[in-house]
Amino acid sequence: KAGVTQTPRYLIKTRGQQVTLSCSPISGHRSVSWYQQTPGQGLQFLFEYFSETQRNKGNFPGRFSGRQFSNSRSEMNVSTLELGDSALYLCASSLAGGVPKDTEAFFGQGTRLTVV
Amino acid sequence: AQKVTQAQTEISVVEKEDVTLDCVYETRDTTYYLFWYKQPPSGELVFLIRRNSFDEQNEISGRYSWNFQKSTSSFNFTITASQVVDSAVYFCALSKETSGSRLTFGEGTQLTVNP
Repeated sequence: KAGVTQTPRYLIKTRGQQVTLSCSPISGHRSVSWYQQTPGQGLQFLFEYFSETQRNKGNFPGRFSGRQFSNSRSEMNVSTLELGDSALYLCASSLAGGVPKDTEAFFGQGTRLTVV
Repeated sequence: AQKVTQAQTEISVVEKEDVTLDCVYETRDTTYYLFWYKQPPSGELVFLIRRNSFDEQNEISGRYSWNFQKSTSSFNFTITASQVVDSAVYFCALSKETSGSRLTFGEGTQLTVNP
């Protein structure tokens, strides 16, 4: 079956602009999580969406937002981009069925965002 | 608050050597899940194993084995007879969520296996 698909793979934006990243989870998966990976801070959790609702949120400013559609696809938006937002943004999906075997999260290849 | 520490930033071995990647975690939750992920140069994180806090049984999968010790809050990963294809960054992670989301990651260990 198809894996987690993230688009675009690479993106270059200018400071002050906004950007939208997209994530299509594995078919049947209802939970989508977003992570930011930078050399300095490592992998950090941004937020999780489940059934179109934000279920968990990490410690990021309000410039970072997201949403999930009825087909479980998710988008992440960053407004007023800063140089420090340059990172690899990873999306993960899971069944989230409430039993241990559903806790496995599958990751996409990420979107590499460069802010100049 | 949860925390995961991978003290080894980089490890370099020669092919066929055994290598152990260390992971120490902190959490106040009684139920939690521990994970290991592999990140090759392509970027995606590849799931290797999940352990819940009630299952301390060690696990072996081919050349991979994991040693979970609750008493020392450690979840170490051993690769036996390493191969060049094992070269990657390995992350240990912790979550209290049944969904496996909200993972707290360690800093990662860059493993280089030289021929």
